[in-house]
Amino acid sequence: GAGVSQSPSNKVTEKGKDVELRCDPISGHTALYWYRQSLGQGLEFLIYFQGNSAPDKSGLPSDRFSAERTGGSVSTLTIQRTQQEDSAVYLCASSLRDTLYEQYFGPGTRLTVT
Amino acid sequence: GQQLNQSPQSMFIQEGEDVSMNCTSSSIFNTWLWYKQDPGEGPVLLIALYKAGELTSNGRLTAQFGITRKDSFLNISASIPSDVGIYFCAGTPRGGTYKYIFGTGTRLKVLA
Repeated sequence: GAGVSQSPSNKVTEKGKDVELRCDPISGHTALYWYRQSLGQGLEFLIYFQGNSAPDKSGLPSDRFSAERTGGSVSTLTIQRTQQEDSAVYLCASSLRDTLYEQYFGPGTRLTVT
Repeated sequence: GQQLNQSPQSMFIQEGEDVSMNCTSSSIFNTWLWYKQDPGEGPVLLIALYKAGELTSNGRLTAQFGITRKDSFLNISASIPSDVGIYFCAGTPRGGTYKYIFGTGTRLKVLA
């Protein structure tokens, strides 16, 4: 079946602009996660959704970052007033439930802030 | 944020050689997972481990959940050029469920 999809695959934006990144999880997966991966680094947890609610937003770097999920499916990560340090690959993952540990990742969105 | 210690950071090997990498933590983990990431792609799950001492294979890959629950290793036998990529370990600490902690990655390059 279809895996996790993300759009856009690449985004170049000017400093100070807002961006929206989209994630379509695997159908039927109730848990959804956002991660950030800086160049050559491991993955940094940002936020987790169970259904439409976000029990854990502890990884969001600042209040410029927000995320929502509607209909228990698609999620959008929004970064307001982008800064150069926001440049990274943003990865989305989903799992069947939050108590099943196997998370499946999308291809990521590479964000470059100029 | 917290990261697992993964070694080696990078390795060059000849095609056909066996590869071994490991991941350690200062605290106990409930699960260990190994992912491979190709350039421009998201990580792909290779093996998931759920019990201390568990040894699991997936083709030429074998991974073990350390008996102390503070480490895990991944072996690749008879490496081939398509094994090139970055291998990440990930785990869920005791008391946690969904929140993965990721290793720093092992970059593997295979020389034909």
